[in-house]
Amino acid sequence: DTGVSQDPRHKITKRGQNVTFRCDPISEHNRLYWYRQTLGQGPEFLTYFQNEAQLEKSRLLSDRFSAERPKGSFSTLEIQRTEQGDSAMYLCASSQPGTSFREQYFGPGTRLTVT
Amino acid sequence: GNSVTQMEGPVTLSEEAFLTINCTYTATGYPSLFWYVQYPGEGLQLLLKATKADDKGSNKGFEATYRKETTSFHLEKGSVQVSDSAVYFCALSERGNRDDKIIFGKGTRLHILP
Repeated sequence: DTGVSQDPRHKITKRGQNVTFRCDPISEHNRLYWYRQTLGQGPEFLTYFQNEAQLEKSRLLSDRFSAERPKGSFSTLEIQRTEQGDSAMYLCASSQPGTSFREQYFGPGTRLTVT
Repeated sequence: GNSVTQMEGPVTLSEEAFLTINCTYTATGYPSLFWYVQYPGEGLQLLLKATKADDKGSNKGFEATYRKETTSFHLEKGSVQVSDSAVYFCALSERGNRDDKIIFGKGTRLHILP
């Protein structure tokens, strides 16, 4: 399977702990996106990378959140001092280079539960 | 700001019924419009898209027409199947924005009864 993969699929943590999620995009896709989806809502954009450069961050991404894509391949999303409001599905997507429409391919997501 | 509003679910239909899921949008520029589908236990998948006014996107028997005058992109299917049970998201991306970020509606859960 050469789709977008995410790890772990589920994470349960206690409030105040740090968590890190990983996303492996489709190879040769230079853009990588992170979205967050809470129950009953559609996904909301968090941030995106073009190669290793993080080019935009949403105001939803507080100082406790940090994302990296050090070699322009996989990406990590870390949440420090988790809060119950961080409980959500974290989705990763990737897209290939192009000047016109770039379809985003989504991974299965990481479901975070903060107790 | 840009936003998408779609009809609330759940929507429950019998197999072979006609489906419409309404979607309207607000955008400052000239967005591309999408319908994404999320089947149980799977990731989001692009179902269809339209990139300019009057375009019709279609896939797997589903259709949606980009109506600029009514800022709408309603999803339709003439005869639904049990396998169409899923959550459907209407979405937009503003063309020309370098980030390509997608703005999603809240989703509509569809149940098809055999």
